Amino acid sequence: GNSVTQMEGPVTLSEEAFLTINCTYTATGYPSLFWYVQYPGEGLQLLLKATKADDKGSNKGFEATYRKETTSFHLEKGSVQVSDSAVYFCALLPRDTGRRALTFGSGTRLQVQP
Amino acid sequence: EPEVTQTPSHQVTQMGQEVILRCVPISNHLYFYWYRQILGQKVEFLVSFYNNEISEKSEIFDDQFSVERPDGSNFTLKIRSTKLEDSAMYFCASKGTGGSYEQYFGPGTRLTVT
Repeated sequence: GNSVTQMEGPVTLSEEAFLTINCTYTATGYPSLFWYVQYPGEGLQLLLKATKADDKGSNKGFEATYRKETTSFHLEKGSVQVSDSAVYFCALLPRDTGRRALTFGSGTRLQVQP
Repeated sequence: EPEVTQTPSHQVTQMGQEVILRCVPISNHLYFYWYRQILGQKVEFLVSFYNNEISEKSEIFDDQFSVERPDGSNFTLKIRSTKLEDSAMYFCASKGTGGSYEQYFGPGTRLTVT
């Protein structure tokens, strides 16, 4: 079946530090991959996406590259801000099956300290 | 910017009672979803809905759950007889057509079963 594995949190960083949140997946075929962000008290917002191998999704300084050979989609940001504190979810959407529902990872809480 | 809305934001109910969680998807979207997130755990798919019928459901979505689009704008999730383990954040999402991948999430309803 489909599954997403994320590194456990919380991840605590100082402002302007480099961020990596690891995400690997297991899926039938070649899924689309997503990062969603959940700020405190809010719903899930799409942060970025990639729909095929070697695609790089980017938004708000965050980047992730779809690596088929390692089945990974790690999230990176060069310089985090306090406002980036949130929970980040990696997710996949299967392509070759009838299922159109997202499969999420367990989420990684990021805490950025001033 | 159009958004998905959900009401109520927090619902407290006693075990065995029926609850209805309401969602207003984005107006021109045709695919609708319910997900839930038990505190501290991953976001899990419950059900998807298209063309006035369930298109897919997970093993979580048993006979105590039902969904409805009663009036062309609202999309509801009913839990017939709530259990303690139904306590969770319930997210509604909607998606457009034309090859769009993005599911737009509402802010969630926190359901507490006592």
